[in-house]
Order: sequence, then C-alpha cells, then structure tokens
Amino acid sequence: DQQVKQNSPSLSVQEGRISILNCDYTNSMFDYFLWYKKYPAEGPTFLISISSIKDKNEDGRFTVFLNKSAKHLSLHIVPSQPGDSAVYFCAAIERGNTPLVFGKGTRLSVIA
Amino acid sequence: DTAVSQTPKYLVTQMGNDKSIKCEQNLGHDTMYWYKQDSKKFLKIMFSYNNKELIINETVPNRFSPKSPDKAHLNLHINSLELGDSAVYFCASSQNRGRTEAFFGQGTRLTVV
Repeated sequence: DQQVKQNSPSLSVQEGRISILNCDYTNSMFDYFLWYKKYPAEGPTFLISISSIKDKNEDGRFTVFLNKSAKHLSLHIVPSQPGDSAVYFCAAIERGNTPLVFGKGTRLSVIA
Repeated sequence: DTAVSQTPKYLVTQMGNDKSIKCEQNLGHDTMYWYKQDSKKFLKIMFSYNNKELIINETVPNRFSPKSPDKAHLNLHINSLELGDSAVYFCASSQNRGRTEAFFGQGTRLTVV
C-alpha cells in the first residue's frame, strides 16, 4: 500500500524553465515532508523540507508547496539547470515517528 | 570527508552465501537506518536503531540481522542469500527520531547469482 505516491515517473524540462514535481500522500498522520535528490550510483541527498504547519518553504531555486486538504505537495525548481537532472524522491514522516516513507521517485531531465 | 560511508559499494555473491555490509557515520547522529531499494525502485525501511537499540524492524526475513556495536556503526548481515535479495541497500543516519532529515550513504548494490 503506497502511502506516498509520485505518479509521474519522468519529466523533461528545458533549461531555464520551471520544473514542477508532484507528490500525493494518503496518510493523514504525516506531518513533515521532504524532498531528496538522487544521482546514479549515489545515495539520496536531502534537498528541502516542509512542516505541516506551513504551506510553503523556499530555499534558493527550490520551493516546496504543501496543500494539506488535498494531501498534495509539489517541488518547484526555477530556473531549471542541467545539473538538476536526477531522480527526485518525495518522503514523509508521521507525527512523532520515524522513519521516512518514500515515493517511487520522478526522473527529471533538464535539456540544455 | 564522507558523512555516511558504507562498504562495499558492489557485492556479487552466490545463492546460499552469508555476507555483511558495513556502515559508519561520523555525524554524531543518534539514529541509523537500513533501507532497501528494490527493482521497482521503491526505497523501503528495513531497520532503525536509536543509540544502539533496535526501534524499528519492518517485515524483513530473519536472515537479515542488523548489528550496532556503537551508535556510529550499523552493519547488516545477511544469511543464506537468495536471488530476491538482489537490490541496492542504503544506510542512513539522522540526528534523532522524528522531524529531521536523514543522511544517506552511497548504497551497496548486492547481486545474488
């Protein structure tokens, strides 16, 4: 039973444009959400997070939006750069508990 | 200076063998994890240790046994390897339990032939 879903396995975006990666979740006990980036043959690296008490968190070119009523979050990357090409994982943590529950990932390709 | 390091990076072995994967973190974190990424690319928790104590053990066959000699190390022993154990295994650590990001090692690609 997938509690965190990333329904788009892949996304292609032109350099300089906005990349929008989506994530849906089913567990209403999740209260902290994270995005990880993964290059081939490397481990996932933390990108940005958001608490359920917020609806937006921004860090440079990366912004995460959370819509709790829709149980949906998205990661915006603007402007997209070729170095952003990677697999992006959405993850969530339940209130007072670990560990991370991951989505299946979305492969982003930024085309120069 | 690698924060979470695991060895080996690649491991090819025959069915029925016993193997170990080692993990060390130099971040001073209290909590360590083992995740498995299977052929469908899902990253799933296997075990979690907090200050050397097992706190999470998902439905993993008992052929898999984690061992934490101290809070900086969490090794994974696998007995009687099966073809279905082929996957990438990631070690991770976090400062504590709860709302905090985890830092991952580079992964160990295990291939059972």
